[in-house]
Amino acid sequence: QSALTQPASVSGSPGQSITISCTGTSSDVGSYNLVSWYQHHPGKAPKLMIYEVTKRPSGVSNRFSGSKSGNTASLTISGLQAEDEADYSCSSYAGSTTIVVFGGGTKLTVL
Amino acid sequence: EVQLVESGGGLVQPGGSLKLSCAVSGFTFSDSAMHWVRQASGKGLEWVGRIRSKANSYATAYAASVKGRFTISRDDSKNTAYLQMNSLKTEDTAVYFCVTALTTDSSYWGQGTLVTVSS
Repeated sequence: QSALTQPASVSGSPGQSITISCTGTSSDVGSYNLVSWYQHHPGKAPKLMIYEVTKRPSGVSNRFSGSKSGNTASLTISGLQAEDEADYSCSSYAGSTTIVVFGGGTKLTVL
Repeated sequence: EVQLVESGGGLVQPGGSLKLSCAVSGFTFSDSAMHWVRQASGKGLEWVGRIRSKANSYATAYAASVKGRFTISRDDSKNTAYLQMNSLKTEDTAVYFCVTALTTDSSYWGQGTLVTVSS
């Protein structure tokens, strides 16, 4: 069982928006603005999409956005495209002992 | 272009050992911490451990599930990080990724190497 809770799957049609939640605790998501989101296609290297809750690395589409409220972080993808179909995982810094915890991953299907 | 290439995975019996390597290019390896993350089939990502840079005394930290069995090291002259895995268990079966960072925008991942622990 993963430390952070994500829905197993979400789906949406091209052009729509979807949101993936990532629920942790006051020891990780709730305490640090160090939540990241990764896009993962099977057999390929995961790609950073969001870091520090809301920031986008250079080259990542502005269709991807992040937010946080309390112990829950969220990733929103607007204007869904077929190429967005992938697994998405969240992570959070969890202190100097545990370091980092991950979510169980969410499979996004573009209908 | 930043590239991370893992190697050394394979089939090993329970109780056995395996050493993974992660060769990094296109990145200032010596200034960066290096993490290992694994993913068992059908499961989420799991942080395994990390080693910090020389400036941070090469400090290591490990997940409770591997502490005492796994050791992370690095050779800055070769831009390579290592994961020595001893006393392997069937539950260690997973794809192992090396990662440059997990909380900043300098997060680059390799494609992973499969470790299978089975008799």
